Amino acid sequence: SQQGEEDPQALSIQEGENATMNCSYKTSINNLQWYRQNSGRGLVHLILIRSNEREKHSGRLRVTLDTSKKSSSLLITASRAADTASYFCATDSLGDYKLSFGAGTTVTVRA
Amino acid sequence: DAGITQSPRHKVTETGTPVTLRCHQTENHRYMYWYRQDPGHGLRLIHYSYGVKDTDKGEVSDGYSVSRSKTEDFLLTLESATSSQTSVYFCAISEARGGNQPQHFGDGTRLSIL
Repeated sequence: SQQGEEDPQALSIQEGENATMNCSYKTSINNLQWYRQNSGRGLVHLILIRSNEREKHSGRLRVTLDTSKKSSSLLITASRAADTASYFCATDSLGDYKLSFGAGTTVTVRA
Repeated sequence: DAGITQSPRHKVTETGTPVTLRCHQTENHRYMYWYRQDPGHGLRLIHYSYGVKDTDKGEVSDGYSVSRSKTEDFLLTLESATSSQTSVYFCAISEARGGNQPQHFGDGTRLSIL
């Protein structure tokens, strides 16, 4: 069953704007990861955040984790056309080492 | 990019026929996974392997079998394909189990069963 659920399902923004998407999950986790998938390609790992961390940055990406609310957010700043893709969160729950993926957020960046 | 090759990339076959998908890695990673991706469901784990000849079931394993006779190869077999198995199949690898290491994905096999 899906552990993570992304919100919104789809997002359309202008180039240069920021994009924010959220992931909520149901049970306590060890780690949360974010992936990007371009059309017709496999998933590419973006960021991993551990349950004892609250925020991580990687280039134009910022991920936050709130374990009390069982939620995470991914912020893409100053978006580019190349950021057009689907974004997935994935979690591994306590006692279960397999990753569970959400259904994803599709982001379209308009030129 | 991690060295993961899936073959074939596309396949169309008929209901009731056997189908084997191959995943080949050049990274020497211990863990390998097969997922299927369907609209509205994200990725769902079919089977995974934690070493040569060591495999276990995932969330949606019914109708699928796997084999891993070498570190670099992980095969997914549909013994008698059904239309509900039409999907995009992804192979992934990781150095360690669980979510404390990233998984690296191949570019998928698009399988259509008529």
